[in-house]
Amino acid sequence: AQSVTQLDSHVSVSEGTPVLLRCNYSSSYSPSLFWYVQHPNKGLQLLLKYTSAATLVKGINGFEAEFKKSETSFHLTKPSAHMSDAAEYFCVVSGRSGTYKYIFGTGTRLKVLA
Amino acid sequence: GAGVSQSPRYKVAKRGQDVALRCDPISGHVSLFWYQQALGQGPEFLTYFQNEAQLDKSGLPSDRFFAERPEGSVSTLKIQRTQQEDSAVYLCASSLAEESYNEQFFGPGTRLTVL
Repeated sequence: AQSVTQLDSHVSVSEGTPVLLRCNYSSSYSPSLFWYVQHPNKGLQLLLKYTSAATLVKGINGFEAEFKKSETSFHLTKPSAHMSDAAEYFCVVSGRSGTYKYIFGTGTRLKVLA
Repeated sequence: GAGVSQSPRYKVAKRGQDVALRCDPISGHVSLFWYQQALGQGPEFLTYFQNEAQLDKSGLPSDRFFAERPEGSVSTLKIQRTQQEDSAVYLCASSLAEESYNEQFFGPGTRLTVL
């Protein structure tokens, strides 16, 4: 079975400061991991994905994530927050479960303060 | 090219009514998924198609939910005798192939409100 846990339901940062959104996963086999962003009234957009290549993954808009197998973590980071980063972020796991369906975390709402 | 489109974007139904939600995936995408997103929650898997074959419907919450993709492109999610607990955003996603590392592209969703 696969699952993903997002450790913070809400995160607030000041503009220009670093962002850290935490995600832990559970999987019986080598997973694929994704981070998606959802802005209000907009569709889910892929930020980045890990598929067993490099453990440090760079995505769009300056985001990156590091796959740490020993810690079963896939935390999302950004060096400097921008007001436009305010949104809901979802960590997702997928794997060789037959249908490659996504298993979503419960989401982290990022608030960026001016 | 166009992304995944869904219609209607908003649907209000009285309890007991039947509804049909449409998904137009990206042209050429083999895989199609439906998810249900309740307020304040992450999306949850409902069902999966590979071309016209429905290979997994384990996430459908009851036999009132039915999905089809008869020609391997457009898909319809039907909910019969809607209940208040069916109120949610229904998301459709498509993917070029079936491998787990393939990105799923999501539509904007249909927000269903059952009164």
